[in-house]
Amino acid sequence: GAVVSQHPSWVICKSGTSVKIECRSLDFQATTMFWYRQFPKQSLMLMATSNEGSKATYEQGVEKDKFLINHASLTLSTLTVTSAHPEDSSFYICSARDFQGQGLETQYFGPGTRLLVL
Amino acid sequence: AQSVTQPDIHITVSEGASLELRCNYSYGATPYLFWYVQSPGQGLQLLLKYFSGDTLVQGIKGFEAEFKRSQSSFNLRKPSVHWSDAAEYFCAVGSAAGNKLTFGGGTRVLVKP
Repeated sequence: GAVVSQHPSWVICKSGTSVKIECRSLDFQATTMFWYRQFPKQSLMLMATSNEGSKATYEQGVEKDKFLINHASLTLSTLTVTSAHPEDSSFYICSARDFQGQGLETQYFGPGTRLLVL
Repeated sequence: AQSVTQPDIHITVSEGASLELRCNYSYGATPYLFWYVQSPGQGLQLLLKYFSGDTLVQGIKGFEAEFKRSQSSFNLRKPSVHWSDAAEYFCAVGSAAGNKLTFGGGTRVLVKP
């Protein structure tokens, strides 16, 4: 149980185009999903918290107009990198919160999406 | 603000030897602590977690971790390492309220034959 998928697993795009990444919780409902960014040989940095049915909460320094997040259902959140540039190239990882009651939330992570902007 | 420090960037261990990865956290309340493992080019897999109760936590793949409040530590251990344990390991701390996870810098484990 507690499987999270991401699609696509990798994408190459031209500078100036937009790229959409999907994050799905396959066997549980996730009212909250998280989007992280990971640069090579570095740790994960939280970009935003995605809440089903409401606006995402962005971390300081993350451009909300650049990284559009939509959490339209309890099993799907999308991250759209708009007008992508080479500096947006990175490994993007999502996670979904599995609420087990009594505040015992655990985040389960997707396999990641590698984005390369040429 | 919460923070996590993993003092060791790289650790090399021989196959069959024991492994201990250090994690120190800073958090104002009772922390929710996690260890994740990441293989190259992959997402993160949860190894174990601590919320409350017994301070020695058993996880998957033969890993265990011990929460020591007095030392603000949550070190990960495995008695006998397998070649497949070569990966990047991340310690993380979270809160119940916001549930944001703050990750340490990671420790890369190399396993020698």
